[in-house]
Amino acid sequence: AQSVSQHNHHVILSEAASLELGCNYSYGGTVNLFWYVQYPGQHLQLLLKYFSGDPLVKGIKGFEAEFIKSKFSFNLRKPSVQWSDTAEYFCAVSSGGSYIPTFGRGTSLIVHP
Amino acid sequence: NAGVTQTPKFQVLKTGQSMTLQCAQDMNHNSMYWYRQDPGMGLRLIYYSASEGTTDKGEVPNGYNVSRLNKREFSLRLESAAPSQTSVYFCASSERHSLSGNTIYFGEGSWLTVV
Repeated sequence: AQSVSQHNHHVILSEAASLELGCNYSYGGTVNLFWYVQYPGQHLQLLLKYFSGDPLVKGIKGFEAEFIKSKFSFNLRKPSVQWSDTAEYFCAVSSGGSYIPTFGRGTSLIVHP
Repeated sequence: NAGVTQTPKFQVLKTGQSMTLQCAQDMNHNSMYWYRQDPGMGLRLIYYSASEGTTDKGEVPNGYNVSRLNKREFSLRLESAAPSQTSVYFCASSERHSLSGNTIYFGEGSWLTVV
């Protein structure tokens, strides 16, 4: 079964700092990769996704992620965070047979103004 | 466009009571899902419905039943609630679970407390 690891459980940053959240998965074949964001009290929203093509994916609100197949990784980045980025971030991975995503445990990001 | 709508948003149950969480989507999606979210555990799939008329177990199905009433609606039932079922429940849908590129869209969540 697919497994997804998010190494950072809690991240605290100041505004304008750079962000990188790690995500690694276990399956070695063709994968679909996602990052979702959950703002306080809200539902999960899709930030970005990768299915094929350019491994550097750009999403909403200035986020991007890079798929590195050799490292089984899909790390999320943002050059300069804002207070409004305070949220929980989930990496998800799906693979062939049944493309139902498996989610990581999430990373809680707090950005201080 | 409402997307995925689920009710109720908040519910408190006593141990042993039963209840049904309702979910409806207006995106003409074939596949629907129920997840639960617990602190430090991320989201775990309870049940899913690949298409109208079918349902399958996910990672944590024990204590739950589901019904795919029609293409739009997918309900989750707790027959005899237990404190371990205190959680936030998310309904979700997607165009088709078996296709590469399957992207899931979530409802706003239902906060359930079992005392």
